Amino acid sequence: NAGVTQTPKFRILKIGQSMTLQCTQDMNHNYMYWYRQDPGMGLKLIYYSVGAGITDKGEVPNGYNVSRSTTEDFPLRLELAAPSQTSVYFCASSYSGEQYFGPGTRLTVT
Amino acid sequence: EDQVTQSPEALRLQEGESSSLNCSYTVSGLRGLFWYRQDPGKGPEFLFTLYSAGEEKEKERLKATLTKKESFLHITAPKPEDSATYLCAVQAGSSSNTGKLIFGQGTTLQVKP
Repeated sequence: NAGVTQTPKFRILKIGQSMTLQCTQDMNHNYMYWYRQDPGMGLKLIYYSVGAGITDKGEVPNGYNVSRSTTEDFPLRLELAAPSQTSVYFCASSYSGEQYFGPGTRLTVT
Repeated sequence: EDQVTQSPEALRLQEGESSSLNCSYTVSGLRGLFWYRQDPGKGPEFLFTLYSAGEEKEKERLKATLTKKESFLHITAPKPEDSATYLCAVQAGSSSNTGKLIFGQGTTLQVKP
């Protein structure tokens, strides 16, 4: 199993541009999550999903959108990128307890 | 409010010098406490799950313990390869149908040879 995969690994965006961060898991987990991690800070939950077609906001959802059309995929969309969205983004999935994380996407908005 | 606090923020040890990392939590109805290891530039890697007070789990030089208010990650005779950030997370009873975790800020461990 590949586990949780994320693309791209790195990206530089200009202010106002948009992009989609991809996340795929092959463990047949129903639950999936998007976090951001800033230097010296913990993981902050952006959005989560409890199954295909069901998504909900986490603690920092502003400026982001998600969709969940299949069990495997959970893309994160950034509209009108802002410097405050410079961060490392992690996708995770779980069955019900421990979460398994992808390798992350390092995003810089300038 | 459910919350998790880890201490210290940073810890420097000499190789072979044993120590402990602390994770204090306040949560309504603990369903599980999780320890992760995170290496620079990588995603968190799952280490342990603890479910009830008195439970212990071990893996190589690491041992995690749990009380009703806190968890400790004991590192025995650490090696430089144990250097990483260690994250603690809890799952509250109210999150049983979402799987959401509440993470602490982490403890960055550096082990010098």
